[in-house]
Amino acid sequence: GPKVLQIPSHQIIDMGQMVTLNCDPVSNHLYFYWYKQILGQQMEFLVNFYNGKVMEKSKLFKDQFSVERPDGSYFTLKIQPTALEDSAVYFCASSAVSNERLFFGHGTKLSVL
Amino acid sequence: GQGVEQPDNLMSVEGTFARVNCTYSTSGFNGLSWYQQREGHAPVFLSYVVLDGLKDSGHFSTFLSRSNGYSYLLLTELQIKDSASYLCAVRAPNYNVLYFGSGTKLTVEP
Repeated sequence: GPKVLQIPSHQIIDMGQMVTLNCDPVSNHLYFYWYKQILGQQMEFLVNFYNGKVMEKSKLFKDQFSVERPDGSYFTLKIQPTALEDSAVYFCASSAVSNERLFFGHGTKLSVL
Repeated sequence: GQGVEQPDNLMSVEGTFARVNCTYSTSGFNGLSWYQQREGHAPVFLSYVVLDGLKDSGHFSTFLSRSNGYSYLLLTELQIKDSASYLCAVRAPNYNVLYFGSGTKLTVEP
């Protein structure tokens, strides 16, 4: 079936550094999402993105976070600078225009030391 | 705000059934989805409901009562491999955003 790919699967960085998480969404999908999941806790909505713009973001989407999808390439989440509390698994998802189903990637585990 | 509540754990026996409950209190409602998530893996879509009643999808069935803010996922003929976390997610009216509960970890014992 359709797949969302996330690169890398695990990223370890020092606090204060910049990190970019990459997502290759399903090819004909138009809506893109980032969710954050701390181990054992719920999936928390960060942001969604459509037509080159952020449509909605949560309180977790701090000023240090940004998203973009330049020229139909990867949908990226950039954190600059990182903080210890950013350590989590970040899931990317995509969906079609009027579809109730989100397709998720396997997540990128971010460890901030 | 978006409040989606699920019990943390549920145990059942192979060959029987399990009912995973979800209650929600959200500002707006545009459908409810269930996802299965195994540890270290992506959530996988199971079901979507927007109208009241029971939706039978074979191994998985989903019930919704909008007036009570309640849904359940029913798994029948349980197998050991059904052991996983089951996530309830409510869709907001705008922008296709899903708000997840914390998930129920189902353990199926022999």
